[in-house]
Amino acid sequence: GAVVSQHPSWVICKSGTSVKIECRSLDFQATTMFWYRQFPKQSLMLMATSNEGSKATYEQGVEKDKFLINHASLTLSTLTVTSAHPEDSSFYICSATDDLYGYTFGSGTRLTVV
Amino acid sequence: GENVEQHPSTLSVQEGDSAVIKCTYSDSASNYFPWYKQELGKRPQLIIDIRSNVGEKKDQRIAVTLNKTAKHFSLHITETQPEDSAVYFCAARTTGGGNKLTFGTGTQLKVEL
Repeated sequence: GAVVSQHPSWVICKSGTSVKIECRSLDFQATTMFWYRQFPKQSLMLMATSNEGSKATYEQGVEKDKFLINHASLTLSTLTVTSAHPEDSSFYICSATDDLYGYTFGSGTRLTVV
Repeated sequence: GENVEQHPSTLSVQEGDSAVIKCTYSDSASNYFPWYKQELGKRPQLIIDIRSNVGEKKDQRIAVTLNKTAKHFSLHITETQPEDSAVYFCAARTTGGGNKLTFGTGTQLKVEL
């Protein structure tokens, strides 16, 4: 079956620093990657959609200069949280899709900004 | 854009009873409706899905029904077990929106012994 590897699984960073989260599709080519943010006891909120080789499409209210998304290949997408602040602390999850496997989620990254 | 509402937010049932979770969606162009189970701190796990050309689908103790006219779809779990306790999310995919999934607000299911 399809597998998406997401790293790191958890990270603690200081306020003002940047954090990069990686998602890799291990056995399929992800034509599209979705990035979600999930606050405690809340639903998954889509942040952006990215297609390989093109600029990401951000959802309304998501700052594109703060949440940098790079989808340089069909197997790798990264989300960089720049100048992180405590309110950015959340659970970030990627989801990759192709025409065959549907939606495959990464294991998530717990970000804590102190 | 698509809006998905989910009810109830919490559901407590006795072991062996049935549980039903309901969702409504707003965009008639949505054509794919998955259900996910999420345990604390883990990724969502697909438990069942249904496409818009089907009215009902069943997989052992789990079933999903879809009413396209009313824009409703429901998850039915029979013979509930303690390990069914988790948060369940419905979602809808809109083809015009880059195939993105819009999630419901989630239902915390607790199966009591």
